[in-house]
Amino acid sequence: DSGVTQTPKHLITATGQRVTLRCSPRSGDLSVYWYQQSLDQGLQFLIQYYNGEERAKGNILERFSAQQFPDLHSELNLSSLELGDSALYFCASSVAGRDQETQYFGPGTRLLVL
Amino acid sequence: AQSVTQPDIHITVSEGASLELRCNYSYGATPYLFWYVQSPGQGLQLLLKYFSGDTLVQGIKGFEAEFKRSQSSFNLRKPSVHWSDAAEYFCADSGAGSYQLTFGKGTKLSVIP
Repeated sequence: DSGVTQTPKHLITATGQRVTLRCSPRSGDLSVYWYQQSLDQGLQFLIQYYNGEERAKGNILERFSAQQFPDLHSELNLSSLELGDSALYFCASSVAGRDQETQYFGPGTRLLVL
Repeated sequence: AQSVTQPDIHITVSEGASLELRCNYSYGATPYLFWYVQSPGQGLQLLLKYFSGDTLVQGIKGFEAEFKRSQSSFNLRKPSVHWSDAAEYFCADSGAGSYQLTFGKGTKLSVIP
């Protein structure tokens, strides 16, 4: 158990809908990362937050957005969903979001868009 | 841009045999390298990491990896594989000044009794 929690574990929805994925980092970690794992693209970095502020952006679609709240939990919002958004979405956390830190991963949320 | 290559998509080994999983990175200056393991239905668990210093690093579950700058490689090894090691293994690089992890495509390990 990494100490990172993600809810829900599974999500099934229809095209065009909007969903919210939630992540609670390890106690004491200030930085949260979101990754997408799909069969064709592999594991890709989406976005990073540090202490409530966006720090880095990767291959995140404009239909996707995220935020980190004062209690440090984070939410990833996916809207106008398409079949291709079906994937496993991971949240990770680290202490201060620096480049030599270990990122600890949650169990993931599996999203299926029908 | 950084890239990480894992040349082997799928490897099958017999229980008790030795294992080596290959990883090549492209970031030139200062790679920060990681190996993660993902069991079916699970998240990613860190096996080991290399930032600097001794090029042979020890990790959990009896795994080790050797950093070779001349070959841009960070191969993962285990002397004797157990059936419980069957999983998918990912090599990743963050690199100096980068906060995100760039992952390889992964190598799926199957273990036969």
